[in-house]
Amino acid sequence: NFMLTQPHSVSESPGKTVTISCTRSNGSIASNYVQWCQQRPGSAPTTIIYEDNQRPSGVPDRFSGSIDSSSNSASLTISGLKTEDEADYYCQSYDTSSHVIFGGGTKLTVL
Amino acid sequence: QLQLQESGPGLVKPSETPSLTCTVSGGSISRSSYYWGWIRQPPGKGLEWIGNIFYSGSTYYNPSLKSRVTISVDTSKNQFSLKLSSVTAADTAVYYCVRDKQYLDLWGRGTLVTVSS
Repeated sequence: NFMLTQPHSVSESPGKTVTISCTRSNGSIASNYVQWCQQRPGSAPTTIIYEDNQRPSGVPDRFSGSIDSSSNSASLTISGLKTEDEADYYCQSYDTSSHVIFGGGTKLTVL
Repeated sequence: QLQLQESGPGLVKPSETPSLTCTVSGGSISRSSYYWGWIRQPPGKGLEWIGNIFYSGSTYYNPSLKSRVTISVDTSKNQFSLKLSSVTAADTAVYYCVRDKQYLDLWGRGTLVTVSS
């Protein structure tokens, strides 16, 4: 099996761009799609990126996802930061047995 | 629009086997090729996948919880359920039900289960 490692926290100013990384411990990051979930304070999570870089309808194009095989990691990039983007972000993938694997989560502070 | 709603006991005692139910509204649980699952989040901590079930009854469980978890589906009631045996304080968490269509596209609002004597 594998683990997904995220930074515990990141912070950036409104209007700026921030990138959150998600590193896979073993096996190729490209082997299984990566998703990203956003969890605002007091709310249930929602998936904002699926299949590495796809956005569900209603998710602004300020949110984008990518993978990098050289670093074996996935990234979530949020541009034009807004205070409403302040939330916890989780990367998520599936293993070969179709089990759901979550990263530990990253707290984004917009200050 | 399809929605998920969890229901559960709220407060349970250690060693009990609580049951949680997720009611699917706005669509049939058995009409599409989706999995239906459970995820939990202890207070102040991250997300942990518990397991999921196909409408036909086939299941996948988190290996770390497999010995204590049973997920079942009742297509006649458009519900699926989670039973977690021999609970301890470590099982205190918000429990979310989800639809898994190769990504977790729908989430319930969650229900808090507190394990305390």
